[in-house]
Amino acid sequence: DTAVSQTPKYLVTQMGNDKSIKCEQNLGHDTMYWYKQDSKKFLKIMFSYNNKELIINETVPNRFSPKSPDKAHLNLHINSLELGDSAVYFCASSKGGPGELFFGEGSRLTVL
Amino acid sequence: DQQVKQNSPSLSVQEGRISILNCDYTNSMFDYFLWYKKYPAEGPTFLISISSIKDKNEDGRFTVFLNKSAKHLSLHIVPSQPGDSAVYFCAASVRSGAQKLVFGQGTRLTINP
Repeated sequence: DTAVSQTPKYLVTQMGNDKSIKCEQNLGHDTMYWYKQDSKKFLKIMFSYNNKELIINETVPNRFSPKSPDKAHLNLHINSLELGDSAVYFCASSKGGPGELFFGEGSRLTVL
Repeated sequence: DQQVKQNSPSLSVQEGRISILNCDYTNSMFDYFLWYKKYPAEGPTFLISISSIKDKNEDGRFTVFLNKSAKHLSLHIVPSQPGDSAVYFCAASVRSGAQKLVFGQGTRLTINP
Protein backbone atom coordinates (compact mmCIF):
# COMPACT_ATOMS: atom_id res chain seq x y z
CA ASP A 1 0.00 0.00 0.00
CA THR A 2 1.60 3.24 -1.17
CA ALA A 3 1.26 5.91 1.52
CA VAL A 4 1.49 8.94 -0.80
CA SER A 5 0.82 8.28 -4.46
CA GLN A 6 1.07 10.64 -7.39
CA THR A 7 -0.10 10.26 -10.97
CA PRO A 8 1.24 10.48 -13.54
CA LYS A 9 4.88 9.71 -12.77
CA TYR A 10 6.01 11.07 -16.11
CA LEU A 11 4.40 13.76 -18.20
CA VAL A 12 5.69 15.16 -21.49
CA THR A 13 3.73 17.96 -23.05
CA GLN A 14 3.94 20.98 -25.31
CA MET A 15 4.26 24.59 -24.24
CA GLY A 16 0.92 26.27 -23.76
CA ASN A 17 -0.94 23.11 -22.73
CA ASP A 18 -2.80 22.63 -19.46
CA LYS A 19 -2.03 19.61 -17.31
CA SER A 20 -2.86 18.17 -13.89
CA ILE A 21 -1.00 16.03 -11.40
CA LYS A 22 -3.00 14.11 -8.81
CA CYS A 23 -1.96 13.16 -5.31
CA GLU A 24 -3.58 10.92 -2.72
CA GLN A 25 -2.45 9.92 0.76
CA ASN A 26 -3.82 7.07 2.88
CA LEU A 27 -2.00 8.02 6.09
CA GLY A 28 -4.87 9.97 7.59
CA HIS A 29 -2.75 13.11 7.67
CA ASP A 30 -4.33 16.54 7.87
CA THR A 31 -1.72 18.46 5.91
CA MET A 32 -0.60 18.03 2.31
CA TYR A 33 2.01 19.82 0.23
CA TRP A 34 3.38 20.35 -3.22
CA TYR A 35 7.12 20.75 -3.62
CA LYS A 36 9.04 21.46 -6.81
CA GLN A 37 12.53 20.15 -7.47
CA ASP A 38 14.13 22.27 -10.13
CA SER A 39 17.15 21.67 -12.34
CA LYS A 40 19.47 22.77 -9.53
CA LYS A 41 17.96 20.03 -7.35
CA PHE A 42 16.54 22.34 -4.71
CA LEU A 43 13.24 21.16 -3.24
CA LYS A 44 11.05 24.22 -2.80
CA ILE A 45 7.61 24.36 -1.26
CA MET A 46 4.83 25.61 -3.48
CA PHE A 47 1.61 25.05 -1.53
CA SER A 48 0.35 23.53 1.67
CA TYR A 49 -3.20 22.59 2.61
CA ASN A 50 -4.50 21.72 6.06
CA ASN A 51 -7.90 20.02 6.11
CA LYS A 52 -8.66 21.35 2.63
CA GLU A 53 -7.66 24.91 3.54
CA LEU A 54 -4.74 26.65 1.88
CA ILE A 55 -2.16 27.59 4.53
CA ILE A 56 1.01 28.12 2.54
CA ASN A 57 1.16 29.74 -0.87
CA GLU A 58 4.69 30.58 -1.87
CA THR A 59 5.53 32.90 -4.74
CA VAL A 60 4.14 30.69 -7.45
CA PRO A 61 2.67 31.94 -10.75
CA ASN A 62 -1.11 32.07 -10.93
CA ARG A 63 -0.93 29.45 -13.65
CA PHE A 64 -0.48 26.93 -10.84
CA SER A 65 -3.69 26.14 -8.99
CA PRO A 66 -3.91 23.53 -6.25
CA LYS A 67 -7.21 21.91 -5.41
CA SER A 68 -8.03 19.80 -2.39
CA PRO A 69 -11.39 18.05 -2.72
CA ASP A 70 -10.86 16.34 0.65
CA LYS A 71 -8.02 16.03 3.11
CA ALA A 72 -6.69 12.88 1.45
CA HIS A 73 -6.28 14.48 -1.97
CA LEU A 74 -4.32 17.46 -3.27
CA ASN A 75 -4.18 17.98 -7.00
CA LEU A 76 -2.05 20.44 -8.93
CA HIS A 77 -3.33 22.02 -12.11
CA ILE A 78 -0.99 23.98 -14.34
CA ASN A 79 -2.27 26.26 -17.10
CA SER A 80 -0.36 27.51 -20.12
CA LEU A 81 2.73 25.43 -19.46
CA GLU A 82 6.12 27.07 -20.00
CA LEU A 83 9.56 25.57 -20.57
CA GLY A 84 10.60 26.66 -17.07
CA ASP A 85 7.89 24.53 -15.54
CA SER A 86 9.91 21.43 -16.40
CA ALA A 87 10.79 19.88 -13.04
CA VAL A 88 9.96 17.06 -10.70
CA TYR A 89 6.91 17.79 -8.58
CA PHE A 90 6.60 16.04 -5.23
CA CYS A 91 3.48 15.70 -3.19
CA ALA A 92 3.85 15.17 0.54
CA SER A 93 1.75 14.84 3.66
CA SER A 94 2.24 15.24 7.39
CA LYS A 95 0.32 15.15 10.64
CA GLY A 96 0.84 18.89 10.89
CA GLY A 97 3.23 20.71 13.16
CA PRO A 98 7.00 20.33 13.00
CA GLY A 99 7.03 16.71 12.09
CA GLU A 100 8.35 14.66 9.24
CA LEU A 101 6.87 14.82 5.78
CA PHE A 102 6.00 11.72 3.79
CA PHE A 103 6.72 12.19 0.11
CA GLY A 104 5.30 10.62 -2.99
CA GLU A 105 7.59 9.27 -5.71
CA GLY A 106 7.45 12.47 -7.71
CA SER A 107 6.03 13.43 -11.09
CA ARG A 108 8.55 14.41 -13.73
CA LEU A 109 7.09 17.08 -15.99
CA THR A 110 8.85 17.88 -19.25
CA VAL A 111 7.62 20.81 -21.29
CA LEU A 112 8.80 20.88 -24.92
CA ASP B 1 18.62 33.64 -1.11
CA GLN B 2 19.18 30.04 -0.15
CA GLN B 3 18.65 29.67 3.58
CA VAL B 4 19.86 26.07 3.78
CA LYS B 5 23.02 25.07 1.99
CA GLN B 6 24.82 21.81 1.42
CA ASN B 7 28.09 22.84 -0.12
CA SER B 8 29.29 19.39 -1.10
CA PRO B 9 27.35 18.09 -4.09
CA SER B 10 28.92 14.67 -3.72
CA LEU B 11 30.85 12.50 -1.29
CA SER B 12 32.52 9.14 -1.76
CA VAL B 13 33.30 6.92 1.25
CA GLN B 14 34.69 3.44 1.70
CA GLU B 15 32.32 0.82 3.07
CA GLY B 16 32.71 0.48 6.83
CA ARG B 17 34.10 3.99 7.27
CA ILE B 18 32.30 7.04 8.62
CA SER B 19 30.32 9.29 6.28
CA ILE B 20 29.93 12.92 7.34
CA LEU B 21 27.47 15.12 5.51
CA ASN B 22 27.35 18.82 6.28
CA CYS B 23 24.69 21.49 6.15
CA ASP B 24 24.70 25.21 6.92
CA TYR B 25 21.78 27.52 7.46
CA THR B 26 21.41 31.27 7.66
CA ASN B 27 18.01 31.83 9.27
CA SER B 28 18.40 32.01 13.05
CA MET B 29 14.65 31.42 13.45
CA PHE B 30 15.02 27.79 12.37
CA ASP B 31 14.62 25.54 15.37
CA TYR B 32 13.94 22.12 13.91
CA PHE B 33 16.16 20.26 11.50
CA LEU B 34 15.73 17.08 9.52
CA TRP B 35 17.67 14.83 7.19
CA TYR B 36 16.04 13.04 4.30
CA LYS B 37 17.42 10.31 2.09
CA LYS B 38 16.46 9.92 -1.54
CA TYR B 39 17.00 7.04 -3.92
CA PRO B 40 16.63 7.54 -7.70
CA ALA B 41 13.04 7.66 -8.95
CA GLU B 42 11.72 7.73 -5.39
CA GLY B 43 10.57 10.48 -3.08
CA PRO B 44 12.70 11.63 -0.15
CA THR B 45 12.24 9.59 3.02
CA PHE B 46 12.72 10.88 6.53
CA LEU B 47 15.90 9.76 8.25
CA ILE B 48 16.47 11.66 11.48
CA SER B 49 15.67 15.00 13.07
CA ILE B 50 16.89 17.28 15.82
CA SER B 51 15.35 20.11 17.78
CA SER B 52 17.36 23.22 18.55
CA ILE B 53 17.21 22.43 22.26
CA LYS B 54 19.55 19.51 21.62
CA ASP B 55 22.99 19.32 20.10
CA LYS B 56 22.96 15.65 19.24
CA ASN B 57 20.45 13.00 18.30
CA GLU B 58 21.32 9.39 17.58
CA ASP B 59 19.38 6.63 15.87
CA GLY B 60 21.31 3.46 15.21
CA ARG B 61 24.09 4.15 12.73
CA PHE B 62 22.88 7.72 12.18
CA THR B 63 23.76 10.69 14.38
CA VAL B 64 22.91 14.31 13.75
CA PHE B 65 24.92 17.07 15.40
CA LEU B 66 23.74 20.64 15.70
CA ASN B 67 25.99 23.63 16.32
CA LYS B 68 23.63 26.57 16.76
CA SER B 69 26.33 29.20 17.17
CA ALA B 70 27.85 28.19 13.85
CA LYS B 71 24.43 27.54 12.26
CA HIS B 72 25.75 24.19 11.16
CA LEU B 73 24.54 20.64 11.33
CA SER B 74 26.04 17.39 10.24
CA LEU B 75 24.92 13.83 9.71
CA HIS B 76 27.27 11.02 10.65
CA ILE B 77 26.74 7.52 9.33
CA VAL B 78 28.89 4.83 10.86
CA PRO B 79 29.65 2.29 9.66
CA SER B 80 28.72 3.21 6.10
CA GLN B 81 27.04 0.50 4.04
CA PRO B 82 26.46 0.19 0.27
CA GLY B 83 22.72 0.69 0.81
CA ASP B 84 23.47 4.14 2.20
CA SER B 85 24.37 5.32 -1.32
CA ALA B 86 21.72 7.96 -2.02
CA VAL B 87 21.17 11.70 -2.10
CA TYR B 88 20.85 13.23 1.36
CA PHE B 89 18.86 16.41 1.90
CA CYS B 90 19.12 18.63 4.92
CA ALA B 91 15.95 20.57 5.84
CA ALA B 92 15.02 23.20 8.41
CA SER B 93 11.83 24.71 9.76
CA VAL B 94 10.38 26.99 12.41
CA ARG B 95 8.32 24.91 14.88
CA SER B 96 5.86 27.63 15.75
CA GLY B 97 5.02 28.53 12.19
CA ALA B 98 3.22 26.68 9.45
CA GLN B 99 4.95 23.45 8.61
CA LYS B 100 7.26 24.67 5.90
CA LEU B 101 10.49 22.80 5.35
CA VAL B 102 13.34 24.61 3.64
CA PHE B 103 15.65 22.14 1.92
CA GLY B 104 19.26 22.21 0.90
CA GLN B 105 20.24 21.06 -2.57
CA GLY B 106 21.39 17.66 -1.48
CA THR B 107 24.64 15.70 -1.29
CA ARG B 108 25.07 12.52 -3.30
CA LEU B 109 26.74 9.91 -1.10
CA THR B 110 28.44 6.95 -2.75
CA ILE B 111 29.64 4.07 -0.60
CA ASN B 112 32.38 2.09 -2.30
CA PRO B 113 32.77 -1.63 -1.49
